[in-house]
Amino acid sequence: EVQLLESGGGLVQPGGSLRLSCAASGFTFSSYAMSWVRQAPGKGLEWVSAVSGSGGTTYYADSVKGRFTISRDNSKNTLYLQMNSLRAEDTAVYFCAKNGYNTGWYDYWGQGALVTVSS
Amino acid sequence: DIQMTQSPSSLSASVGDVVTITCRASQTISSYLNWYQRKPGKAPKLLIYAASSLQSGVPSRFSGSGSGTDFTLTISSLQPEDFATYLCQQSYSSPQTFGQGTKVEIK
Repeated sequence: EVQLLESGGGLVQPGGSLRLSCAASGFTFSSYAMSWVRQAPGKGLEWVSAVSGSGGTTYYADSVKGRFTISRDNSKNTLYLQMNSLRAEDTAVYFCAKNGYNTGWYDYWGQGALVTVSS
Repeated sequence: DIQMTQSPSSLSASVGDVVTITCRASQTISSYLNWYQRKPGKAPKLLIYAASSLQSGVPSRFSGSGSGTDFTLTISSLQPEDFATYLCQQSYSSPQTFGQGTKVEIK
């Protein structure tokens, strides 16, 4: 059974940093691209970032480019999102999602981690 | 960015009803359209990918159709467990974008 479990969410002040983790199990982690998708309060889902199976290629939404870094440790079956220079508008539930093989859809999602940016 | 517009934003239906939800893209996306189900406190669930392919394990009462800019999700006989919010997503171009959702409520 595929499982994705996010951790690392919490309250952080504007300008601060936070690192989210997503522990994956139930599939060959290194074979699949992984993504982060977020949902701000009262808003729709927004794709944030993606990384290839090897970790060699990364993609970012314009809204987070230069501030967020996606990475993965295939030896630990874990996906990360390092978030720096956080802003109030980054407040959201962040979902870890597994991409279908060589596809742009997400066949499994985690339950989400809440990140609140507030002073 | 490609804008995805769903209609209606919400609907009320009864068990056994046929439910149809529409998703329109602001530009052509071929068949790169996916549908998800969301329930409160639960992870989103993929229902349909590539416009009309049923994800493994998803009941056959769910179906998708369309190509280009106009797409439809149909639930052929609404079941109690289907009351949820349904979202479309385009995976044609980056950034991938989602519709705002259609909430299916009990009549």
